[in-house]
Amino acid sequence: DIQMTQSPSSLSASVGDRVTITCRASRGIDNDVAWYQQKPGKLPNLLIYAGSTLQSGVPSRFSGSGSGTDFTLTIGSLQPEDVATYFCQAYLSAPPTFGQGTKVEV
Amino acid sequence: QVQLVQSGTEVKKPGASVKVSCKASGYTFSSYGISWVRQAPGQGPEWMGWISGYNGKTKYAQKFQGRVTMTMSTSTSTFYMELRSLRSDDTAVYYCARDWDVWGSLFFEYWGQGTLVTVSS
Repeated sequence: DIQMTQSPSSLSASVGDRVTITCRASRGIDNDVAWYQQKPGKLPNLLIYAGSTLQSGVPSRFSGSGSGTDFTLTIGSLQPEDVATYFCQAYLSAPPTFGQGTKVEV
Repeated sequence: QVQLVQSGTEVKKPGASVKVSCKASGYTFSSYGISWVRQAPGQGPEWMGWISGYNGKTKYAQKFQGRVTMTMSTSTSTFYMELRSLRSDDTAVYYCARDWDVWGSLFFEYWGQGTLVTVSS
């Protein structure tokens, strides 16, 4: 199984800051990575797929990059409503696997 | 609109079984598979397995092989996940989630609302 190592586990930043979250895959997975946002008590919400494709309706301050083993989610200008836990997910093959999450505080 | 509506909260004793349902609507049932994903408190999601909406073919995560069964009813557009020999570390919210596309890409836009399963003596 592919392991996804996500870092940091938590971060605190100010409104307007640029925030970067990284995931490293245990082996190359092309660009088959998705990113989710999960607010407390809510469902995971798909933000990005195929490494860098923004899901419809997601604000443009969110972006993704990377290919192979190293992937990044960037929030270009952190907003108060971005308080959440963010997960990466590899989906090249079954089983799809998730990172352990990054809790973002403002 | 796509909707996945799950059954309600369950409380089970260790060693028991639980069966969670997921009723699908708003799309062609047979065109998409459904994954079951669970999330323990404070943990990342964990994929348990997948069932094809076309023919009921299943694929289970090795961790759950022998303990999980995924089935479906085409007449009611409902998917089911049964987990047996429950342990306290099976306490989690269980989600059904629809494949992204008809080719079975295993990432998820549509999720059920989640079913809390608590295992406690």
